[in-house]
Amino acid sequence: GNSVTQMEGPVTLSEEAFLTINCTYTATGYPSLFWYVQYPGEGLQLLLKATKADDKGSNKGFEATYRKETTSFHLEKGSVQVSDSAVYFCALSKDTGTASKLTFGTGTRLQVTL
Amino acid sequence: GAVVSQHPSWVICKSGTSVKIECRSLDFQATTMFWYRQFPKQSLMLMATSNEGSKATYEQGVEKDKFLINHASLTLSTLTVTSAHPEDSSFYICSARHPRGGSYNSPLHFGNGTRLTVT
Repeated sequence: GNSVTQMEGPVTLSEEAFLTINCTYTATGYPSLFWYVQYPGEGLQLLLKATKADDKGSNKGFEATYRKETTSFHLEKGSVQVSDSAVYFCALSKDTGTASKLTFGTGTRLQVTL
Repeated sequence: GAVVSQHPSWVICKSGTSVKIECRSLDFQATTMFWYRQFPKQSLMLMATSNEGSKATYEQGVEKDKFLINHASLTLSTLTVTSAHPEDSSFYICSARHPRGGSYNSPLHFGNGTRLTVT
């Protein structure tokens, strides 16, 4: 079946540091890939997505490239801010019909300090 | 943009009582909504797929008689936790996919979640 593996957190960085959160997936065919962010006490918000190989999703300084050869979708940001502290979830969606489901990774907590 | 509203945002109830959580799509019609449960420091576990006008589809291991789902209209799905017990305490999140685009490569829109505490 489909699965998503994320690096375990928490990840603690100083402000302005470079961020990488690794994500790899297992799926047949060509899933769509997503990064969601969850701020404390809130639901999930879509951060970025990519729907085909070599696509790069980007938003708010974050980016991730859909690498089919390595089945990866690593999240990166060149300079993190305290306000980026949150839990980040990698997810994939595969066409299984009208109610296609998201498969989530376990989430990676990011803590950015001054 | 598309918004999914969830209510209440938190609720405390006594063991043995039932709690209803509402999920509304505010500016679009959602024939399908999803209900997730999130344990502390863990990922989201899909509980069930809520289908407008028909029965919900539950994931393996989820008790359908305990977690009642009703999707009576295109903008409202409800999750009722019946005879709640302390182990049902959790963060429950609903989501819906905007019909425009409407395929697996369209993102889900999530509610802000409901924190349920059963005492």
